Amino acid sequence: EIVLTQSPGTLSLSPGERATLSCRASQSVSSYLAWYQQKPGQAPRLLIYNTSNRATGIPDRFSGSGSGTDFTLTISRLEPEDFAVYYCQQYGNSPPLTFGPGTKVDIK
Amino acid sequence: QVQLVQSGAEVKKPGASVKVSCKASGYTFTSYYMHWVRQAPGQGLEWVGIINPSGGSTSYAQKFQGRVTMTRDTSTSTVYMELSSLRSEDTAVYYCARDTSVPSNYLTDWGQGTLVTVSS
Repeated sequence: EIVLTQSPGTLSLSPGERATLSCRASQSVSSYLAWYQQKPGQAPRLLIYNTSNRATGIPDRFSGSGSGTDFTLTISRLEPEDFAVYYCQQYGNSPPLTFGPGTKVDIK
Repeated sequence: QVQLVQSGAEVKKPGASVKVSCKASGYTFTSYYMHWVRQAPGQGLEWVGIINPSGGSTSYAQKFQGRVTMTRDTSTSTVYMELSSLRSEDTAVYYCARDTSVPSNYLTDWGQGTLVTVSS
């Protein structure tokens, strides 16, 4: 089973700042990596699939990059609604699908 | 638009079983695989398994093998997840989540979640 680690655990930033979130896989997942956003009391929402493709309706301030074992989600300028928890998920070697432990982006 | 509407919260005693439903609408039910993912309170996401609504084939995470059963009813566009021999560690929000039409194993649409509480 592929294990995903995310860093940092918490990212404290101000609106308008740039957020850089990392996801590392225990072995290569090629480009089969997705990112989700989850707000309190809500279901996760797909942001990015296949490393860098934005899901329908996702603003272009969200971007993804990487390959193999190292991936990055970047939010170019944080909006108030972007403060949430972000999970990466691999599907390069599935089943099982596995998720990272999450990065919380909170307001500084 | 795609909608996945799940059944309501459940409270169960240890050792009991729970069956959660997920009613789909807004798309061709049999054309998209469905996953189940759970989230314990304050914790991350954990994949439970997948069902093909067309033929009914399933694949479960090894952790749940022998305790989970996923089924579907094509007449009502509903998928079900039944978890047996419940223990306190199964307390979680259970989500159904739709795959793509390929399938690709990333999750494009999610139900609202069903809280299952296991307590004596």
